[in-house]
Amino acid sequence: EPEVTQTPSHQVTQMGQEVILRCVPISNHLYFYWYRQILGQKVEFLVSFYNNEISEKSEIFDDQFSVERPDGSNFTLKIRSTKLEDSAMYFCASSEGAGVSYGYTFGSGTRLTVV
Amino acid sequence: QKEVEQNSGPLSVPEGAIASLNCTYSDRGSQSFFWYRQYSGKSPELIMSIYSNGDKEDGRFTAQLNKASQYVSLLIRDSQPSDSATYLCAVPPYGQNFVFGPGTRLSVLP
Repeated sequence: EPEVTQTPSHQVTQMGQEVILRCVPISNHLYFYWYRQILGQKVEFLVSFYNNEISEKSEIFDDQFSVERPDGSNFTLKIRSTKLEDSAMYFCASSEGAGVSYGYTFGSGTRLTVV
Repeated sequence: QKEVEQNSGPLSVPEGAIASLNCTYSDRGSQSFFWYRQYSGKSPELIMSIYSNGDKEDGRFTAQLNKASQYVSLLIRDSQPSDSATYLCAVPPYGQNFVFGPGTRLSVLP
């Protein structure tokens, strides 16, 4: 069964450093998303991406964050100047169509630990 | 602010019983509703979607939707210990992104 692949599975970084989280969505999917889940809290929307541009973003997704689709397969989330409160599971997801009609397929996540 | 509410639990049921999980949402314009299962430390996994008022059955799972009451539920029949997980209700407001509820932790006791 097709799956969304995320790397690395675990990333430890020092406060103030930049990290790049990588995702390979399912090949025929057109919509891509990043969500995060702080330990013990709910899954929160960060950003959606379609047709090589951001289609929607939450108030969490400020200038510290950026997304990119550098080639035909990868979808990345860059976090600049990481803070302790950025520690969370970051999930990439993709869907064949817009979310209102299609469920998302989530990747296995990247656990980001900022120390 | 679009809200999705769930009882956090834990909801404990004996093996073989019916587990009933509930979700309410604030956006009357929502048209589709999803249930995800999340095992501890893992990513959410889609169980079911429902779009129309009434019941939708898939194996041991039944989703129930009442748009007038802004209420969606998930019933799990013949609950198994492997069903022990957190169940997330997801409701996309008009647009693309999902709003997830906080999840209900289900514990099925052998």
